[in-house]
Formats: sequence, structure tokens, C-alpha cells
Amino acid sequence: EAQVTQNPRYLITVTGKKLTVTCSQNMNHEYMSWYRQDPGLGLRQIYYSMNVEVTDKGDVPEGYKVSRKEKRNFPLILESPSPNQTSLYFCASSSRGGGSSYNEQFFGPGTRLTVL
Amino acid sequence: DQQVKQNSPSLSVQEGRISILNCDYTNSMFDYFLWYKKYPAEGPTFLISISSIKDKNEDGRFTVFLNKSAKHLSLHIVPSQPGDSAVYFCATTRTYKYIFGTGTRLKVLA
Repeated sequence: EAQVTQNPRYLITVTGKKLTVTCSQNMNHEYMSWYRQDPGLGLRQIYYSMNVEVTDKGDVPEGYKVSRKEKRNFPLILESPSPNQTSLYFCASSSRGGGSSYNEQFFGPGTRLTVL
Repeated sequence: DQQVKQNSPSLSVQEGRISILNCDYTNSMFDYFLWYKKYPAEGPTFLISISSIKDKNEDGRFTVFLNKSAKHLSLHIVPSQPGDSAVYFCATTRTYKYIFGTGTRLKVLA
């Protein structure tokens, strides 16, 4: 089954404790992206990756890191989480990013993160 | 600076009637305009897109209209069904970057 998986689905942690949210897709997509969803703010793009070893900042990259060492995986790293990073996080992938033609993004089920 | 705005947080429509969801944007330099639907406890799913050079795109019960002079995007659902009850996000994209609106919660009443 074609899908985007995220782990963990739920996480409660404390301020300053490094964490990684994993994202994996089995559709051989070049493009992957991370978003956070907050009440009243909708979905905001954190980072995206056009292909292996190519990443760039979205609208809200502060406090986050990413890496794309393999095509299928795109982990989101919070080196020193803070309470304002409490949010619902979504990973997404598509066969190509926005631009000359549109290919839909497939989203994972989400990771609900609480930072105390 | 919200470049994509959905001014109606919620909308209720009777089953069988038309649902119209609206979206305004401020920047004209986008390639595609999109609508995604989201059910609780799930990730968003793609609904329909429209190129910036078009003004209408249809897919079954869903039609998206783009008014470039007014910088306005709308989604029409006809006829509305209870299963359409969800949060709808409009979005724009240009060169790998995406900007989403804040969402409109649609409730279709049986």
C-alpha cells in the first residue's frame, strides 16, 4: 500500500530534550516536506526537500533541523524543544514539488507533540 | 503576514445543496492553487487543483474557480453530502514552497 508513515504518532517530552520524528514514504517520491498545524494558523511549512541531500527552509524553520540522506526518509529533528513547538506535525511527499506542473502531496497521519 | 486567507472558520450546509468555500490571497506569483480536505485524526488529502493560467477546473462534484483580478479562489461542492463534512484548506504553491490557509470547517447536515 502506498503510504507516508510517521513515528511516533504521539509524544510528550520536556523542554530541551532532543527528539526526532521519523517520516518514511514507499512511493519513490523525490519531494518531501514537513508541516505543523496550529489552531487558527492552519498548516505551515517547516522544511522541504527536493531530492536526496537537497533541503530548504519553509516559512517556520526556526528550532528545527532536517536531513535527507535517503530518498524514502525525511526525519524532523528538534535539538532543544520548547513549549512553543507543541503542535501537530505532518510529513508529506509527492513525485515532484510545486512549479511547472502540480503533483499532489500525500500526507502522513500526523504526530502530536507536546513539549512541557 | 498571512498570504492566503480563509475568512470563514466554519460553514454549515444542508445535504444536497451547494457548499461554497472561499479563499483570498495576496501574492500573485503562485503557480498552482489547491484544495485539501482533512478529517479528524488523519492527514490532509488532495482534492483539486487549478493552474494560475486557468479560471475554472472541475472534478465530479467539485469545481474550483480562480478570479485573478480579485485574487480570490473558491471551491464549489454540488451536491453536498454528509461525508463532505471536514476541514478544507486552500493552498498555493510556487517552486517547491507551499502556503496553506487557516482552514474552513464544513458541516453538511443530513
